[in-house]
Amino acid sequence: DAGVIQSPRHEVTEMGQEVTLRCKPISGHDYLFWYRQTMMRGLELLIYFNNNVPIDDSGMPEDRFSAKMPNASFSTLKIQPSEPRDSAVYFCASKVGNQPQHFGDGTRLSIL
Amino acid sequence: DAKTTQPPSMDCAEGRAANLPCNHSTISGNEYVYWYRQIHSQGPQYIIHGLKNNETNEMASLIITEDRKSSTLILPHATLRDTAVYYCIVRVVGGNEKLTFGTGTRLTIIP
Repeated sequence: DAGVIQSPRHEVTEMGQEVTLRCKPISGHDYLFWYRQTMMRGLELLIYFNNNVPIDDSGMPEDRFSAKMPNASFSTLKIQPSEPRDSAVYFCASKVGNQPQHFGDGTRLSIL
Repeated sequence: DAKTTQPPSMDCAEGRAANLPCNHSTISGNEYVYWYRQIHSQGPQYIIHGLKNNETNEMASLIITEDRKSSTLILPHATLRDTAVYYCIVRVVGGNEKLTFGTGTRLTIIP
């Protein structure tokens, strides 16, 4: 079975550029989560959706970050404009009902 | 969600049982204990969860004390592939779906 698929796996870009991270959740899952992992702050939740609707975006750092889920099989996390402090590994996870979350392998983002 | 405390690191010999402790002394009656692990360069992987009874699956066993203030994750026969950071997380099932990851325990399996 296909797990959570994230793209790209690696992204290197210059500060000020727009960055778009993509996630395809596991088919049939009704929750989707975006996390960020850094050495300083560890693994922290940015936002999560239920049935394509954002439920908790309290972890989104600032207005430069936005997340969308236009349908049940696709979500994006966008950073505009990007800054060096946004460099991190970004994980997407999905789940169904009360089952545990399943994570993708992440996107390693470097902002120069 | 209640806070958890884990040792920062542990070693275990290959083939032996790895016992990873977690303290959650402020846990509420409706909070579950979850364990995830993160192998280098991969996303976190779910291992097991429980409320108050001991649980076992194909990956591990979870032992929760009677007062629920602490728990132990047991990997019965550790292999080199079990080297990872292990996270103990407490949350209410059916409440906010947020998982709060602490710093975890870095488990190193020694050949």
